[in-house]
Amino acid sequence: KAGVTQTPRYLIKTRGQQVTLSCSPISGHRSVSWYQQTPGQGLQFLFEYFSETQRNKGNFPGRFSGRQFSNSRSEMNVSTLELGDSALYLCASSWIAGGSSEQFFGPGTRLTVL
Amino acid sequence: DQQVKQNSPSLSVQEGRISILNCDYTNSMFDYFLWYKKYPAEGPTFLISISSIKDKNEDGRFTVFLNKSAKHLSLHIVPSQPGDSAVYFCAAQVRGEYGNKLVFGAGTILRVKS
Repeated sequence: KAGVTQTPRYLIKTRGQQVTLSCSPISGHRSVSWYQQTPGQGLQFLFEYFSETQRNKGNFPGRFSGRQFSNSRSEMNVSTLELGDSALYLCASSWIAGGSSEQFFGPGTRLTVL
Repeated sequence: DQQVKQNSPSLSVQEGRISILNCDYTNSMFDYFLWYKKYPAEGPTFLISISSIKDKNEDGRFTVFLNKSAKHLSLHIVPSQPGDSAVYFCAAQVRGEYGNKLVFGAGTILRVKS
């Protein structure tokens, strides 16, 4: 069974640009969660999608948005990039909505904002 | 507002000895706790979990202890092996309106020396 895949793996952007990251969950998983990992901050929850609906949202500005498609694939978009958005962005998929040990993480997308 | 804190950024242990990783939390509504392990260039992988109604859970070399009165949990690895060298994240689950959400600590880098 293929794991969670994220594309691209690495991305370099400049301030003010926008970026779209993609996540393909494990086949059959309907929930996708997004996290931002920065040194010293751990994993900060961005949002979770289940059956194309946003179920949970973290404390991030509106520049961060996401969506989920009917095949459960999810995209995350960050507009008007800031230097502080440089981070590893992880997505995790699970069969049910939210939390617990059923979450399987992808390898992440390393975003660098110059 | 860091509800889950891992106060030790790093820990160095000799191979064969015990590794103890600590985690403190502030939210008494957390009902489930998890430990994830993360290698460089990979996403976090689930290691072990414990429900808030228990005080100990063991899985091979890994044991998690929960002290609810102190809002503290710890992960014991015995014996430690060089392959255990990784970043360890403590996470806590809280039930939201539309599902559960995981809150992560900042992580502890474990180095096991051979």
